[in-house]
Amino acid sequence: RKEVEQDPGPFNVPEGATVAFNCTYSNSASQSFFWYRQDCRKEPKLLMSVYSSGNEDGRFTAQLNRASQYISLLIRDSKLSDSATYLCVVKDNDMRFGAGTRLTVKP
Amino acid sequence: EADIYQTPRYLVIGTGKKITLECSQTMGHDKMYWYQQDPGMELHLIHYSYGVNSTEKGDLSSESTVSRIRTEHFPLTLESARPSHTSQYLCASSIGDGYTFGSGTRLTVV
Repeated sequence: RKEVEQDPGPFNVPEGATVAFNCTYSNSASQSFFWYRQDCRKEPKLLMSVYSSGNEDGRFTAQLNRASQYISLLIRDSKLSDSATYLCVVKDNDMRFGAGTRLTVKP
Repeated sequence: EADIYQTPRYLVIGTGKKITLECSQTMGHDKMYWYQQDPGMELHLIHYSYGVNSTEKGDLSSESTVSRIRTEHFPLTLESARPSHTSQYLCASSIGDGYTFGSGTRLTVV
């Protein structure tokens, strides 16, 4: 079993749609959680950290359920510029990256 | 504005050549990492370092080697490049939570 598992995708949605990505992790001792964004042929960049109480940054909302070892990312009112691969990342001693979920937002 | 630099950005090299991919960071981070990523595929950790003179192999077996003589510098070397080494190599550093990635080196071995 992989340490971090994500929806395989790809997700193809129209502009303005709401899309949700899910992620599960296997190490219950994991301490920190993140969503990274990776554009095609670019390096991953931090999108947002994920806190137990849930957190929101504009159109992006991240949720963490430690009991279920589950993380989610919700994107509302999706834009063309949101097209990218979204990586779920879990930190124990080091960062563990999911395989990523590819999102394409179409006009 | 990048605080972690990788060179070269692109490299095409013949089979059997020795190559060194450079990675430098100006943030004073102790932890540095090398990842390998094929197009559209996940990141694989191949080497990491928690400080000067500390290097470890990652989850993915790699024929490359690394060194950490200075905090800011973490080069990766392939003694004899093969076509199977064709990939993107990403360097990252961290202090506390979160990673900062370099722009990557896209290596093609012909």
